[in-house]
Amino acid sequence: QKEVEQDPGPLSVPEGAIVSLNCTYSNSAFQYFMWYRQYSRKGPELLMYTYSSGNKEDGRFTAQVDKSSKYISLFIRDSQPSDSATYLCAMNAGTYKYIFGTGTRLKVLA
Amino acid sequence: DAGVIQSPRHEVTEMGQEVTLRCKPISGHNSLFWYRQTMMRGLELLIYFNNNVPIDDSGMPEDRFSAKMPNASFSTLKIQPSEPRDSAVYFCASSLMGQDQPQHFGDGTRLSIL
Repeated sequence: QKEVEQDPGPLSVPEGAIVSLNCTYSNSAFQYFMWYRQYSRKGPELLMYTYSSGNKEDGRFTAQVDKSSKYISLFIRDSQPSDSATYLCAMNAGTYKYIFGTGTRLKVLA
Repeated sequence: DAGVIQSPRHEVTEMGQEVTLRCKPISGHNSLFWYRQTMMRGLELLIYFNNNVPIDDSGMPEDRFSAKMPNASFSTLKIQPSEPRDSAVYFCASSLMGQDQPQHFGDGTRLSIL
């Protein structure tokens, strides 16, 4: 079993939809949780960064961490075609070593 | 501010040739990471430097891979000799030191070994 599991998609939604992206993990020592967005032929770009459990909101994006269920989510409200990208979750246990999900491809249709 | 800069963006070469990938981290960052990204395995950490010193190279696949960081503003990843299975996108990332510091990525080098 991988330490971090992420549905690869692709996920296609109409413009304006609410998108939910998820990762599950097995290591209860993970404390820091990140979401990166990666456009085609570009590097991963940090989108959201949270510590421990709870919610964090930034504009149209909300990151949610449920440590009891070992489950993290990224919600995108009012999705736009420009949100079409691959979304990678990442987490670490307080060291330099990030464990990444394999990414979910999202396509927002105009 | 300039982000992480990698060169070249694309490299196509024949099997057996030496390949050198270059990275300039964000100024002031003292941690540097080299990753490899493939469809099958996602992002894999190859090596981690802290203050120019290699701390963890357990992800380097074979002796054919080597990395150096001669100063705080430059790092190289070398593959010699290259093989077709080395074809992937190689990313460099940098961060400030500290467990709560996020990593910032360059745009990668897309490497194809024929």
